[in-house]
Amino acid sequence: AQSVAQPEDQVNVAEGNPLTVKCTYSVSGNPYLFWYVQYPNRGLQFLLKYITGDNLVKGSYGFEAEFNKSQTSFHLKKPSALVSDSALYFCAVRYNNNDMRFGAGTRLTVKP
Amino acid sequence: SAVISQKPSRDICQRGTSLTIQCQVDSQVTMMFWYRQQPGQSLTLIATANQGSEATYESGFVIDKFPISRPNLTFSTLTVSNLSPEDSSIYLCSAETGHTQYFGPGTRLTVL
Repeated sequence: AQSVAQPEDQVNVAEGNPLTVKCTYSVSGNPYLFWYVQYPNRGLQFLLKYITGDNLVKGSYGFEAEFNKSQTSFHLKKPSALVSDSALYFCAVRYNNNDMRFGAGTRLTVKP
Repeated sequence: SAVISQKPSRDICQRGTSLTIQCQVDSQVTMMFWYRQQPGQSLTLIATANQGSEATYESGFVIDKFPISRPNLTFSTLTVSNLSPEDSSIYLCSAETGHTQYFGPGTRLTVL
């Protein structure tokens, strides 16, 4: 079955420290992979995507993600976290051309 | 990218009534989507709305309960009919462009 997993419900980091939000997937074929961020009472905001090419993808607000085909992972990273990065983060995978599946979400809290 | 607006942003409705949510995209798109999200939870796809054809509903969602219109390439509506408290949720509109789904700000529905 097609699936995407975010193994951590919650990630806590101190401001200025690097952050990682994990995502693994299980789909057939070559998936497209996405990260979205959701701030309170807001819709999902697109951060970055991997379709093909360089495994390291850079996105908005200093975020980046690395596609690892052998580990079927697409972890979101940022070298130095900001308090304003605190939000709910969703990994998503697109397969079969149009089907999209979202992870359960990871709540990131950055403490001053 | 696409900029998406939704109306209303929130509403409180009585049991048995209906609510129609409007979604406007700032550019022409082929595919639009309607999702449901409980606060802090992941997204559940209700249906895909392509212009010029009937909406395609996911398992567990039916047209009588969630009728959708897609009159042109920039607009769609979702109606939630015969409301019950279980319909209380956030409803999100999405549009796809460049292999990426972009989301509206959401409509928060509370059914009393």
